[in-house]
Amino acid sequence: GQSLEQPSEVTAVEGAIVQINCTYQTSGFYGLSWYQQHDGGAPTFLSYNALDGLEETGRFSSFLSRSDSYGYLLLQELQMKDSASYFCAVTHREVYSSASKIIFGSGTRLSIRP
Amino acid sequence: EAQVTQNPRYLITVTGKKLTVTCSQNMNHEYMSWYRQDPGLGLRQIYYSMNVEVTDKGDVPEGYKVSRKEKRNFPLILESPSPNQTSLYFCASSLEARPGNTIYFGEGSWLTVV
Repeated sequence: GQSLEQPSEVTAVEGAIVQINCTYQTSGFYGLSWYQQHDGGAPTFLSYNALDGLEETGRFSSFLSRSDSYGYLLLQELQMKDSASYFCAVTHREVYSSASKIIFGSGTRLSIRP
Repeated sequence: EAQVTQNPRYLITVTGKKLTVTCSQNMNHEYMSWYRQDPGLGLRQIYYSMNVEVTDKGDVPEGYKVSRKEKRNFPLILESPSPNQTSLYFCASSLEARPGNTIYFGEGSWLTVV
């Protein structure tokens, strides 16, 4: 089967750093992606890791450890506009077919306090 | 402009009245998918399609049908809607079913079944 685990809620202070973790279990792993969703909006792509290590994009960084089936999203210099839900996603390949589907974690709601 | 368009955006309907939510993408993507989003449950996959005439069940397919007769269109059909199908629905597409390919989401369809 496949599963992704991430915390349901995280609270942080404006200007601080926060880390959102994601652990996964899936076959045919291609990589880990992160998406951001503001209330009432559609999810939008943030980052992607195919190989182990850290990928940096401005204030956001994403890390992957394939041996640990673990990744995280790191948000620095938090701003109020970063208050949103964050989802990790992996591709799951069915064992007895070539079908692949993209599975999302249940999401982490990040609340930023002034 | 690259986009995923879904209609209607908002709909209130009655139990048992068949409805279709349309989805169209203009990026020549092979992979398309439908998700529903409910509070505390994140994004749950209903159906997905890896290409024309190829569709597969996601995690919550009961009560839904889909078709993929053309590459650009992937309608979601509720043959006999019930109140437990009240939800926010997202159509999504990507070049292929791999996390490295960005997933583009439609703006969402708020469906209420009374």
